[in-house]
Amino acid sequence: AQKITQTQPGMFVQEKEAVTLDCTYDTSDPSYGLFWYKQPSSGEMIFLIYQGSYDQQNATEGRYSLNFQKARKSANLVISASQLGDSAMYFCAMDLKQAGTALIFGKGTTLSVSS
Amino acid sequence: ETGVTQTPRHLVMGMTNKKSLKCEQHLGHNAMYWYKQSAKKPLELMFVYSLEERVENNSVPSRFSPECPNSSHLFLHLHTLQPEDSALYLCASSQGRAGDIAKNIQYFGAGTRLSVL
Repeated sequence: AQKITQTQPGMFVQEKEAVTLDCTYDTSDPSYGLFWYKQPSSGEMIFLIYQGSYDQQNATEGRYSLNFQKARKSANLVISASQLGDSAMYFCAMDLKQAGTALIFGKGTTLSVSS
Repeated sequence: ETGVTQTPRHLVMGMTNKKSLKCEQHLGHNAMYWYKQSAKKPLELMFVYSLEERVENNSVPSRFSPECPNSSHLFLHLHTLQPEDSALYLCASSQGRAGDIAKNIQYFGAGTRLSVL
C-alpha cells in the first residue's frame, strides 16, 4: 500500500541555521511525484517543492531543496538559513501517476524557528 | 495569494443546519479537490472533480454533498452534520490529474474551519 511517513512530530532550529525534515515513502509504482507543503497557523497549505521519480537531479527552490534518495525511498526537505517565518507545519505528500489518486499526505512535522 | 479562494473562513453550525462551503480558483485549472483535515490526522481526500465530473469519492458520508458547476467553482453542501465533522476543510485545484505528475501540483485555499455543535 502507498504510504508517506514523517517520523519527526516536532523540530526546533535557530534562526539562520539549516534544518532537515525527514520523509520516507512506500510504493511499488515506478512513476510517482513527491511534494512538500507548508501550513502556517492560518491554515493555508502552501506548495514548496516537487520531485519526480525519474528526475536525475534533486529539486531546489530558493532556500528549499529536496534530498531525494530513491533507493532508500526518502525525500527529505532541507531548509537553509531558517527564518522566523518558517515556523509552521510541513507535510510531505506523494502522487501516483498510474493509480490516478490525489495526493497522499504524511502526518506532518511542526517546525519552530527561534531567534 | 495562491489563486484559490475559500469562503467562509470560519463556520459554526448546529447539527440540524444546512450550509455550504464555496471554493473558487482563478488559475485556469481543470481539477478541483476537497480535503478534510482533523486534529492530529493526515489530510483526507474527500472528493475529486476533473473537468467538472466527479472522478473520486473516498466513501464520504452522504451528509456531505459536493457540486462542481464549472471548472472554476466547487461547493461542499453540508446537512445534519455530527460533532466529529468539525475540522478544517481545504479546497485545492491542479492543472490536470492524468499524465505528467508535475501538472498535478495542487494549490490550496486557506480553508474553512468548521465547528459543529
